[in-house]
Amino acid sequence: KAGVTQTPRYLIKTRGQQVTLSCSPISGHRSVSWYQQTPGQGLQFLFEYFSETQRNKGNFPGRFSGRQFSNSRSEMNVSTLELGDSALYLCASSSTGGTEAFFGQGTRLTVV
Amino acid sequence: GESVGLHLPTLSVQEGDNSIINCAYSNSASDYFIWYKQESGKGPQFIIDIRSNMDKRQGQRVTVLLNKTVKHLSLQIAATQPGDSAVYFCAERRGGGSNYKLTFGKGTLLTVNP
Repeated sequence: KAGVTQTPRYLIKTRGQQVTLSCSPISGHRSVSWYQQTPGQGLQFLFEYFSETQRNKGNFPGRFSGRQFSNSRSEMNVSTLELGDSALYLCASSSTGGTEAFFGQGTRLTVV
Repeated sequence: GESVGLHLPTLSVQEGDNSIINCAYSNSASDYFIWYKQESGKGPQFIIDIRSNMDKRQGQRVTVLLNKTVKHLSLQIAATQPGDSAVYFCAERRGGGSNYKLTFGKGTLLTVNP
């Protein structure tokens, strides 16, 4: 069965721009979580969607938003990009109640 | 507060030796503790988990120990191989029903020397 797919793999944006990242979860998984990974802060939780509803949210500013579609695919959007938003953005899907989260390879965002 | 932290940011071992990666946690409400491995250029990959009411669980070449008294978690890798070189994260799961949240530690870089 196909794994979690994130697109694009790499992205370079300019400060002030906005960006949309996409995540296709494993078939049948309804929970999709997003994480930001940086060398200094590690893996930080952004938000989690389940059945098109945001269920949990981390401590990120409102510039970070997301959504989930009826087929469980999810997108996250970052508006008014800042240099500090440069990071690896990881998406993970899981089945209901499972401890195992399946991660995609991530989208490497560089803000210049 | 909510935090999962690591004692050592880097660990270097010789091939064939056993590795021990440590993690401290602060939230006693977690129902599961989980270890993930992240190889360069890849997303984290599940290794093993342990329920909070257990103190030891074994997998293939890996053992996780949980000491709730001192809120400490460790991952032991037997006969470490070069392919084990990666960043290892501990994570704790909290929540209820079908709604859970994972909180990750900052990671330990394991380097296996041939």
